[in-house]
Amino acid sequence: NAGVMQNPRHLVRRRGQEARLRCSPMKGHSHVYWYRQLPEEGLKFMVYLQKENIIDESGMPKERFSAEFPKEGPSILRIQQVVRGDSAAYFCASSPGTGAVEQYFGPGTRLTVT
Amino acid sequence: QKEVEQNSGPLSVPEGAIASLNCTYSDRGSQSFFWYRQYSGKSPELIMSIYSNGDKEDGRFTAQLNKASQYVSLLIRDSQPSDSATYLCAGVGGSNYKLTFGKGTLLTVNP
Repeated sequence: NAGVMQNPRHLVRRRGQEARLRCSPMKGHSHVYWYRQLPEEGLKFMVYLQKENIIDESGMPKERFSAEFPKEGPSILRIQQVVRGDSAAYFCASSPGTGAVEQYFGPGTRLTVT
Repeated sequence: QKEVEQNSGPLSVPEGAIASLNCTYSDRGSQSFFWYRQYSGKSPELIMSIYSNGDKEDGRFTAQLNKASQYVSLLIRDSQPSDSATYLCAGVGGSNYKLTFGKGTLLTVNP
């Protein structure tokens, strides 16, 4: 599968638990972006990462949210102490990063906080 | 605040007709524009990108960009029921990576 991979596809967490969302970019892509889609709202940029670097996290909530893209392994979006308002679809996208700006999306993780 | 606005829809067209989807943007620094298709419960799928003024055609799809009017459109010719989806317009500004999305237009193609 050469596309962007995300797991899990569905995640249920109780309030106060931690959620970890994983994303493996498309083969040959080194740039990863996370977006969030709240019910009845548009997609919103959260964070842009390259290997071992956070380039722009201006869309991330200041508290409880963090992201990383280690040298080895997938990118991880981590949400600590989840609240009901965190329930959303979280999409990862990737791009080659060599001047190309087209971003390709993974299937998403649907997070439900109970 | 940099905004991308789409005609709210929903838009309903008969099979075989032309569907016209429109988008305006507020950031004059935006350089590149994209149309994504999103089926219900699925992820956005890139269907068109456009970087310069004018028209760009790909099969049944034509994207149009007018930077002076800050206007982007997508025409779908010979619409099919399988085109029924939400269409998202997105722009990229000077940062060249941060996509700003409109809220989408729901298109229904009736057989």
